[in-house]
Amino acid sequence: DSGVTQTPKHLITATGQRVTLRCSPRSGDLSVYWYQQSLDQGLQFLIQYYNGEERAKGNILERFSAQQFPDLHSELNLSSLELGDSALYFCASSVGVGMGSPLHFGNGTRLTVT
Amino acid sequence: GENVEQHPSTLSVQEGDSAVIKCTYSDSASNYFPWYKQELGKGPQLIIDIRSNVGEKKDQRIAVTLNKTAKHFSLHITETQPEDSAVYFCAASTSGTYKYIFGTGTRLKVLA
Repeated sequence: DSGVTQTPKHLITATGQRVTLRCSPRSGDLSVYWYQQSLDQGLQFLIQYYNGEERAKGNILERFSAQQFPDLHSELNLSSLELGDSALYFCASSVGVGMGSPLHFGNGTRLTVT
Repeated sequence: GENVEQHPSTLSVQEGDSAVIKCTYSDSASNYFPWYKQELGKGPQLIIDIRSNVGEKKDQRIAVTLNKTAKHFSLHITETQPEDSAVYFCAASTSGTYKYIFGTGTRLKVLA
């Protein structure tokens, strides 16, 4: 168990809808990363937060947004959903940015857009 | 832009044989190189990592080697077992930044 909790585990919704994915990082970790993994694909970096502030952005669509709250949990909001948004969404956390700060991944939220 | 190339994309070995997965990174400032194992239905799990001041690290049946000059690092699994079957990802990161660049993954199948 990595200590990173993601909810829900599965989400099925229709095109055009909006969903929120939630992540609770490991105790003591200040940094949260969001990744998207489509079927048999690699890990596409979306966005990263450190202690409540956005620090890095990857290939995140404008329809997607995220935030990290004062208690360090994070939410990823996906809106105007399209079929192509169906994927596994992973959250990972780390202590910070010091040398050798490994990422610890949750087990993901599987999003299916119909 | 910065990237990490990973080869091969799929690898099948007989149980008991060794498996080697190779990665090449482009950012010379990268100094931390973790390897992750992803089993079906689960998130990637850290299995071993190496820092740029070390050339090799071993943990039981797995080892990682780093060649900073060539910007190569490799994962070696000896005496493979069926439970080693999974997708393996390499990554490169730079201290003081938030960058974490992942390779495209290698699907390892260990045949009994």
